Amino acid sequence: QSALTQPRSVSGSPGQSVTISCTGTSSDVGGYSYVSWYQQHPGKAPKLMIYDVSKRPSGVPDRFSGSKSGNTASLTISGLQAEDEADYYCCSYAGSYTVVFGGGTKLTVL
Amino acid sequence: QLQLQESGPGLVKPSETLSLTCTVSGGSISSSSYYWGWIRQPPGKGLEWIGSIYYSGTTYYNPSLKSRVTISVDTSKNQFSLNLSSVTAADTAVYYCARANWGRYMDVWGRGTTVTVSS
Repeated sequence: QSALTQPRSVSGSPGQSVTISCTGTSSDVGGYSYVSWYQQHPGKAPKLMIYDVSKRPSGVPDRFSGSKSGNTASLTISGLQAEDEADYYCCSYAGSYTVVFGGGTKLTVL
Repeated sequence: QLQLQESGPGLVKPSETLSLTCTVSGGSISSSSYYWGWIRQPPGKGLEWIGSIYYSGTTYYNPSLKSRVTISVDTSKNQFSLNLSSVTAADTAVYYCARANWGRYMDVWGRGTTVTVSS
């Protein structure tokens, strides 16, 4: 069970869109529609932003969207705002009731 | 509103066992819809899933930690616990407990507790 692969960092200006990728294998990301994304501000607990690849929990702005193609899932944040600056982690079901996280991506709002 | 709170020693000696408890309030740990999990985050690093437990006591562990991890549940106290044996400095991390919807997602998290392994 290896960690999912995410870019270490991405950046964008306010109002722009950014996409964070999350690459796994057919045993995790590619094999199930159970990818979730978490936002983590410094010193805080992770917050669920996307689940089941593309669903948003109540209260999460529709600027956040998720998708998946093959073994790669993506999180897109449109209309970037300063408060979106945080670390983002993907997570996938990996079979046998186990899950695996990505290494995390630091989003910088320029 | 469901809340989770981790508790336990902040300092553990090498080779000893790390023990943490997560207390669930505002809801029942015996809900049939959810599992209860532990996740950790070493300083400056990413999240690592440790394992999960169902209220019936069924457990699932990260294969890389399985030989050292035990997760248990006490439904009478609305708590679940983590034991990690033979700890080393590599086990130094912030430990989070969370409510998990099976393997789909974790939607409610505790604030986390920092555990340092040092003599």
